[in-house]
Parts: sequence; C-alpha cells; structure tokens
Amino acid sequence: DTAVSQTPKYLVTQMGNDKSIKCEQNLGHDTMYWYKQDSKKFLKIMFSYNNKELIINETVPNRFSPKSPDKAHLNLHINSLELGDSAVYFCASSQTGDNSPLHFGNGTRLTVT
Amino acid sequence: AQKVTQAQTEISVVEKEDVTLDCVYETRDTTYYLFWYKQPPSGELVFLIRRNSFDEQNEISGRYSWNFQKSTSSFNFTITASQVVDSAVYFCAPLRDMIYNQGGKLIFGQGTELSVKP
Repeated sequence: DTAVSQTPKYLVTQMGNDKSIKCEQNLGHDTMYWYKQDSKKFLKIMFSYNNKELIINETVPNRFSPKSPDKAHLNLHINSLELGDSAVYFCASSQTGDNSPLHFGNGTRLTVT
Repeated sequence: AQKVTQAQTEISVVEKEDVTLDCVYETRDTTYYLFWYKQPPSGELVFLIRRNSFDEQNEISGRYSWNFQKSTSSFNFTITASQVVDSAVYFCAPLRDMIYNQGGKLIFGQGTELSVKP
C-alpha cells in the first residue's frame, strides 16, 4: 500500500537514553516533516526537509537531529531523552509546488520514564 | 501574528444532530491554502479538505460541508446528521511560510474534540 510509515509505533525508554524513530514514504513526495503532538493534542512542526535539504527547523533543541538519507526517508534521532519529550511524533510528506496536503504516518508514541 | 483559532475546545452532540466547527485564521498572505484534518480515537491524522483562498465557493462532500469566507477569515466545517463514527478531534490548518518549490508548513489550530453520542 502507498503510505507514510513510521516505526516504532510505541517507544518506552528511560531518561538519558538515545532513541531513533524511522519514517518512510512511498508516495513519491519530495518534502517530509516531523510534527510533535503534546498531551493536549497540540500539533507543532519540528522539521521539514525538501529533497534531503533541511528547510524548516522550528527552534527544536539540539538533542533532536533529523536525518534524510534520501527523499523517501526522514529519521528522527533524539539524544539524552527528557521527561518533556514524551509525546506523539508524526512524520508526514507532501509534494511541493502545488500545495498538496500533508499525508501523515500513524504516529510514534514516545514515553520517557 | 499569523495564527488559527478554533474556539470550541469540545463539542458534544447526539447522533443525527448537525454540528458546525468554527475556524478563524489570521494571515498577511494574499494567497494561501486552508486545510481540515480529522484525528479519530485511533490516533491517525486524516486529510479532509484543502481550499484555495481564491475559491470561496462552499464545498460539500456527503454529510460534510465547508463554508469559507475570506471577508471574515473563517473556514467553518459542518457535519450534517452526525454519526458516532464522526467522533474525533478536528483540526483546521492554514498553510504558511511557503518557500518557493520547497513547500511550507501547516500551522494547526488547537483542535475541536467532537463527541457524538448515540
């Protein structure tokens, strides 16, 4: 099926650990995003990549490092996890140039204990 | 500041009632796009509709309809004859900060949680 897929779906870890979330899209889109949804359902953009180039970085702590090896992948690595990082992280993709809608993955629920 | 406001945090209706979700936005752009997304209890984000600021014609898709009024900066969403399956959080989102040929970002409203009771 064509989609945006992210893994893992759930991630439980302890403070101070380093973790990664992977995202892949097979929609042929050239722009990918990471969004964070907090406990109040507020969705906020973190990063955006276009053709592997970072174009949006929304004042996210340096502990968060996105990596885009190619147009179809955008991974998120988080160092030294903190309690406040607990949230649902959504990957998304879109085709640029025609203001196409963002297609979201199913989210990764990160719990830091 | 450019932003979007969904003043209704929670709405509860009984099945078959009509319900309207309000969305008011601010923008300095003359051309822009507006989106609505649905997030059911299962958690995924589902795209519902995109509107261009040049097109103020109302749109209807089955039980869903959207009323876009540029003069009042509003893009309201109405569900007719609501059903339990419509229970979800609904987000309004204008597209902003377009970078030519590199995309932009969706700025989401706070969301309106709709509960449809049988």
